[in-house]
Amino acid sequence: GENVEQHPSTLSVQEGDSAVIKCTYSDSASNYFPWYKQELGKGPQLIIDIRSNVGEKKDQRIAVTLNKTAKHFSLHITETQPEDSAVYFCAASDADYKLSFGAGTTVTVRA
Amino acid sequence: EAQVTQNPRYLITVTGKKLTVTCSQNMNHEYMSWYRQDPGLGLRQIYYSMNVEVTDKGDVPEGYKVSRKEKRNFPLILESPSPNQTSLYFCASRGYGGRRTDTQYFGPGTRLTVL
Repeated sequence: GENVEQHPSTLSVQEGDSAVIKCTYSDSASNYFPWYKQELGKGPQLIIDIRSNVGEKKDQRIAVTLNKTAKHFSLHITETQPEDSAVYFCAASDADYKLSFGAGTTVTVRA
Repeated sequence: EAQVTQNPRYLITVTGKKLTVTCSQNMNHEYMSWYRQDPGLGLRQIYYSMNVEVTDKGDVPEGYKVSRKEKRNFPLILESPSPNQTSLYFCASRGYGGRRTDTQYFGPGTRLTVL
């Protein structure tokens, strides 16, 4: 089955700086890579996703890149703000609709 | 409003006392799933259902049961809870829409403590 590894497990950045979270996956058949943000006391919410026919996708301050050859994808948050503080999960989806999640990254934005 | 609801949100119980956590979605999604979240382990899938009366084991199914008698509901059953099932549980649903890559929506979570 799919194995997703996520790094780092914690990330502290100064407000206004950029944050980068990296994930690798094992199953070359995976073709869908969403990122979820989980705020305290809430369920994960999709913030951006990328499909295997695209190398990069951007949505305002958030961007995701995908390297299928190397089997890794990354989340980039620019101009970080205090409301970006949360736990972020990457995931990969294989042929049977199952999402396999990374262990999560706790992001803290220091004011 | 499109949503996934779970009840209860918080539950404290004792070892061996059967319990059910309900999950309901109003998006007419075919695919539903249960996860548990533990520190440092991320979200691990317990069971999933591709459609009514179709369920299958995820990565950590031991000690859990599910049923899918109606499309909108997917209850999680713990027949004899044990302390190692103390965790944060999430229900999720996902439509097919002709693509396997449709967005998955999560419920607000159920925090279960088994004493």
